[in-house]
Amino acid sequence: DAKTTQPPSMDCAEGRAANLPCNHSTISGNEYVYWYRQIHSQGPQYIIHGLKNNETNEMASLIITEDRKSSTLILPHATLRDTAVYYCIVRVAGSGANSKLTFGKGITLSVRP
Amino acid sequence: EPEVTQTPSHQVTQMGQEVILRCVPISNHLYFYWYRQILGQKVEFLVSFYNNEISEKSEIFDDQFSVERPDGSNFTLKIRSTKLEDSAMYFCASNPGLFTGELFFGEGSRLTVL
Repeated sequence: DAKTTQPPSMDCAEGRAANLPCNHSTISGNEYVYWYRQIHSQGPQYIIHGLKNNETNEMASLIITEDRKSSTLILPHATLRDTAVYYCIVRVAGSGANSKLTFGKGITLSVRP
Repeated sequence: EPEVTQTPSHQVTQMGQEVILRCVPISNHLYFYWYRQILGQKVEFLVSFYNNEISEKSEIFDDQFSVERPDGSNFTLKIRSTKLEDSAMYFCASNPGLFTGELFFGEGSRLTVL
């Protein structure tokens, strides 16, 4: 699976959009971008994934650049409960989709009141 | 909403003792995993399990570790003779086996080895 690079931390004000960047310049054509988060020491939580089109669900939006070398996770209205470590993970789909996830250090998002 | 449940939430044990951590994956999921996270460190993959056998394991998953799905609902991780360095949060996860393979994690079992 391709390697990802995330800044170590960022913060944003409650109620504002949080834009979390991720670089994955060596991504292959059959690799998806996944985002998970871990609140305090709870189990990681799936947020969203995408291949090349932008995706949106009830939690977040995922914007993938046209060359697919980077992406941004957007939390449209961050709340204090969104304070967590966010992991950007690149991973093959299809027959490889059920293989392990490899977690990096992620980006620590701190939402301030 | 269906969820992965893990027991116990916290276990304290003496070095050298056997420990069994239990997980009930989401019903109808096909793939099962154990991960661990030592305090302050990354979430690390231990093992994946499919069709009643190990499909992948990491270097961490040595002979001291074993997994089992004894009754079609529970998925257990056994550590035969615990060491101090086994102290960690252990997360179970399951995956419905769909094309894109999202993993659903439990809340974890904290193991403290004294």
